[in-house]
Amino acid sequence: GQNIDQPTEMTATEGAIVQINCTYQTSGFNGLFWYQQHAGEAPTFLSYNVLDGLEEKGRFSSFLSRSKGYSYLLLKELQMKDSASYLCAVPSMDSNYQLIWGAGTKLIIKP
Amino acid sequence: DADVTQTPRNRITKTGKRIMLECSQTKGHDRMYWYRQDPGLGLRLIYYSFDVKDINKGEISDGYSVSRQAQAKFSLSLESAIPNQTALYFCATSGGTGANEKLFFGSGTQLSVL
Repeated sequence: GQNIDQPTEMTATEGAIVQINCTYQTSGFNGLFWYQQHAGEAPTFLSYNVLDGLEEKGRFSSFLSRSKGYSYLLLKELQMKDSASYLCAVPSMDSNYQLIWGAGTKLIIKP
Repeated sequence: DADVTQTPRNRITKTGKRIMLECSQTKGHDRMYWYRQDPGLGLRLIYYSFDVKDINKGEISDGYSVSRQAQAKFSLSLESAIPNQTALYFCATSGGTGANEKLFFGSGTQLSVL
């Protein structure tokens, strides 16, 4: 079967660094997405990884290990506006690459 | 103006009523999607459309129907609403055909079925 696991909730302090993990089990692999979703709002695209390694975009970086079925999102210099849910998703080989979504990790930033 | 617009933003209805959620986009994308989001669960795909003549069921299509009236418009209907269809509904679009195409979401419709 296909499955994605993420921690339900994490708490971090403003200015600190936090790592949000995602593990996946899929038949075949066509990359992994991270989206950010503020409460009551639409998800917005953060990153897409298809090759192993770390990709950096400003304060946010995303890492992928295909052999381990594992990804993480690294957020540096945390700001209060980073309080949101972070959704991990992978395209399904079984259905026209439609995305299989994790339940999301709610990140709470404290002053 | 938003690229992907959903109406209404909020809707309260009663069990057994028929309702329609509408989505329009100005991104010029061929692919459109309807998802629902429930607390503690990931986004789940209801229906998707690769072009005006192509409609596909997602993982939870029972109790829903869709209409792709034009490239820019994709509506979702609940023929006879039931309480477990209470959820946050999102429309989304994507521009390409590959697995790496990112989605652009509308602002969502919070639906409550009493």
